[in-house]
Amino acid sequence: GQQLNQSPQSMFIQEGEDVSMNCTSSSIFNTWLWYKQDPGEGPVLLIALYKAGELTSNGRLTAQFGITRKDSFLNISASIPSDVGIYFCAGHGGTSYGKLTFGQGTILTVHP
Amino acid sequence: ETGVTQTPRHLVMGMTNKKSLKCEQHLGHNAMYWYKQSAKKPLELMFVYSLEERVENNSVPSRFSPECPNSSHLFLHLHTLQPEDSALYLCASSQVGGTSTDTQYFGPGTRLTVL
Repeated sequence: GQQLNQSPQSMFIQEGEDVSMNCTSSSIFNTWLWYKQDPGEGPVLLIALYKAGELTSNGRLTAQFGITRKDSFLNISASIPSDVGIYFCAGHGGTSYGKLTFGQGTILTVHP
Repeated sequence: ETGVTQTPRHLVMGMTNKKSLKCEQHLGHNAMYWYKQSAKKPLELMFVYSLEERVENNSVPSRFSPECPNSSHLFLHLHTLQPEDSALYLCASSQVGGTSTDTQYFGPGTRLTVL
């Protein structure tokens, strides 16, 4: 089956630093999604990518759909304390009902 | 209400109890999903309903019983659960067949504790 490898597993950074995380897949995906989850809450969609090579920004967040369709990265610029949380990548491989494969998550801690 | 809502947000139940989790989506989507999220584990897909028909059941024990009466509502009926079923249960919805087929929107989850 499809697998996603997300790295790093955790990051400890200072406020103001930039952050980069990525996901790689053993197979091709048609869609890449990035979510953020706060403790005790559901994941919130940050960025959706639908086309190989696509680069999309959402405020301080930038994500790219890898040209091989097997990877994606998420960058956060000038981090702030409220960026703390767990970031998940998810990919869709083409089933008719939108089944997603999720990465293991990156736990981000931002020190003021 | 907007987006995806779930009730209750927190539930504590004994192993002999019967309870139900409710999910409602206000996005006009036609597919709904139940996920289980345990500590330090990836999201586990439990059930998928597409156009009100169950299209996936990921080897979930029969003590979990989903119900999708219409495209906006999804239930998860629980009975004789085990302590290892304690987890965050997440509902999600998406639009199947359009240009945004793959984008799922999640509810806030129900934190379930089985004593």
